Amino acid sequence: QKEVEQNSGPLSVPEGAIASLNCTYSDRGSQSFFWYRQYSGKSPELIMSIYSNGDKEDGRFTAQLNKASQYVSLLIRDSQPSDSATYLCAPQLMNRDDKIIFGKGTRLHILP
Amino acid sequence: DADVTQTPRNRITKTGKRIMLECSQTKGHDRMYWYRQDPGLGLRLIYYSFDVKDINKGEISDGYSVSRQAQAKFSLSLESAIPNQTALYFCATSMGGAYQETQYFGPGTRLLVL
Repeated sequence: QKEVEQNSGPLSVPEGAIASLNCTYSDRGSQSFFWYRQYSGKSPELIMSIYSNGDKEDGRFTAQLNKASQYVSLLIRDSQPSDSATYLCAPQLMNRDDKIIFGKGTRLHILP
Repeated sequence: DADVTQTPRNRITKTGKRIMLECSQTKGHDRMYWYRQDPGLGLRLIYYSFDVKDINKGEISDGYSVSRQAQAKFSLSLESAIPNQTALYFCATSMGGAYQETQYFGPGTRLLVL
């Protein structure tokens, strides 16, 4: 059973600080990952995807992938109150028969 | 207009009733999905469809059925609703080609089964 693990939080971070969200996964075949943001009562939306080892930066967001450690993270710099949400990690499927899975998500709370 | 729409947005029903949740998309995507979300359990896949003739069970399909009426429409039915099906339901779409591309979610349907 392939699994994606995330700390459920809540993770409280002061405004302007760096928020660090982590995700570990059990499938060594997973090559790429997606990070979704979900505001309370709303639907998830994609904020970052990462397809290779290393870092990928997009504005205040940086995704980091370490395939050897089976670990992917999302850093949010200069955290804003609008970043308060739940962040879901999801691996790219490798086979058509793989079941799509999401991590349970980490709740992030930015303290004004 | 929204690319992925769900109707109804909210629904209250009684145990044993049959209900249908509908999803429509204007994105032209081949793939469509139904999820439910419960506090503490995250998003769980119910059914997914890679095209009109290809429907597959997800993680928690018992008690649910689906119909892919057209490329743009994917309906979820609860044949005999029970209280533990109370949840937030999301429809999603993706383009196809790889095995999990970006998914685009509808606004969700809040279902309460009494």
